[in-house]
Amino acid sequence: EAGVTQFPSHSVIEKGQTVTLRCDPISGHDNLYWYRRVMGKEIKFLLHFVKESKQDESGMPNNRFLAERTGGTYSTLKVQPAELEDSGVYFCASSQQDFGAYGYTFGSGTRLTVV
Amino acid sequence: AQTVTQSQPEMSVQEAETVTLSCTYDTSESDYYLFWYKQPPSRQMILVIRQEAYKQQNATENRFSVNFQKAAKSFSLKISDSQLGGAAMYFCAYRSGTSGTYKYIFGTGTRLKVLA
Repeated sequence: EAGVTQFPSHSVIEKGQTVTLRCDPISGHDNLYWYRRVMGKEIKFLLHFVKESKQDESGMPNNRFLAERTGGTYSTLKVQPAELEDSGVYFCASSQQDFGAYGYTFGSGTRLTVV
Repeated sequence: AQTVTQSQPEMSVQEAETVTLSCTYDTSESDYYLFWYKQPPSRQMILVIRQEAYKQQNATENRFSVNFQKAAKSFSLKISDSQLGGAAMYFCAYRSGTSGTYKYIFGTGTRLKVLA
C-alpha cells in the first residue's frame, strides 16, 4: 500500500512569491489533514477535509492560504503571496472513517523556506 | 482550549537502557484520545502508541508503554531496550472525543538521542 505522498519535499521561495504544496493521501482515505510546524514549536492544525469538503478550516492562518481537494483525492495548499513567517514544515496526513481516532498516516512533509 | 506540554526538549539514553518521555495535557473533557508519534530524521511521523481516555489500562506496544494518569492529566512514554536506530523526535498528541472535533493538538516534541 502506498503511503501519503507529499511534494515537493523542499521549497525555497522569495517573499511575495506563490507556492503550491501537494498531498496524495492513501487511496480510500476520506479524511485528509494539513498541519504545520514552525521551527522549534508545536505542530499546529491547519485544516481537515472529508472527501472534497472542508470539515474544519479553523487553523488556516489567513486568506493567503488556500486549500483544495478536487474530487476528494489529492489536495493542494497554496500560499500566495508568501511571507517570511510562513516558513516551516507542512505535514499532510490521512485517515479512514474514524476521523483519526485510531491515528493518522503522515507524509514526510514539505519544508518551506521563504527568504 | 486544550493544550499539550512536553517539558523535555531533548533527552539522551544509553543503548539498551530505558527512558521515559513526559507529556502533560490540559482539558475539561472526559472523553479523548492520546497518541505518541515518532519522527526519525528526514522521515515521516509514525504512530507509536495510542490510549483511549476511558480505558484505565495503560497501552503497550512492544518496547513502548505508557503511564496514563487521567486525574493528573499525564501521559508519559516509556521506551525499553533503546536501540541505536531509535533516535527521533517524539510528539505527544491529544484528540477530543467530541463528535465534530477531530483535530490533533500536539506538543512541541522531545528529541531523543540514543548513545552507544
